[in-house]
Amino acid sequence: GQQLNQSPQSMFIQEGEDVSMNCTSSSIFNTWLWYKQDPGEGPVLLIALYKAGELTSNGRLTAQFGITRKDSFLNISASIPSDVGIYFCAGQRNSGTYKYIFGTGTRLKVLA
Amino acid sequence: EPEVTQTPSHQVTQMGQEVILRCVPISNHLYFYWYRQILGQKVEFLVSFYNNEISEKSEIFDDQFSVERPDGSNFTLKIRSTKLEDSAMYFCASRVTYEQYFGPGTRLTVT
Repeated sequence: GQQLNQSPQSMFIQEGEDVSMNCTSSSIFNTWLWYKQDPGEGPVLLIALYKAGELTSNGRLTAQFGITRKDSFLNISASIPSDVGIYFCAGQRNSGTYKYIFGTGTRLKVLA
Repeated sequence: EPEVTQTPSHQVTQMGQEVILRCVPISNHLYFYWYRQILGQKVEFLVSFYNNEISEKSEIFDDQFSVERPDGSNFTLKIRSTKLEDSAMYFCASRVTYEQYFGPGTRLTVT
């Protein structure tokens, strides 16, 4: 089946550090979405990406649509304690499908 | 800012009982979804709904599940005879473009 693998699975970082995480698949995707989920809450959309090579920022967050269309990357600059949470990528394979496949998640813990 | 709402926030039911989870998607959205997340795991697609019909469903979405958009605002997920393994967070989502927005979820506990 279709699988989106996220790396790393979890990470501890110091406040102020930059964070990088990625999402990879063996399949090509047309759209990538990045979400953040806090405990007990729904995923919150951070960034949407629509074409290969696209680089999009949202405040301290920057995401890129990989040129192979099989991966995507999320960077967080100058992390703060409220960045704690689980980050999920989600991909839509092509225009003929409606569903989004979610990645396995990266759990971020920020040490003040 | 418009948002997806879900009720109830927590539902406890006995095995074998029927439950209906309710969602009000963002008003101008056209595509509606239900997802499930078992505690500590990833978000799993259940079903998508467009133009008043199911457009796609996963293997999880078997005959025990159904969805309905009974009026212009509500979108419901029904589980006919709940099983212990149905215990999870259920999220509704909607979109008009490719940006998909989630509700806060309903925690379903089957005892």
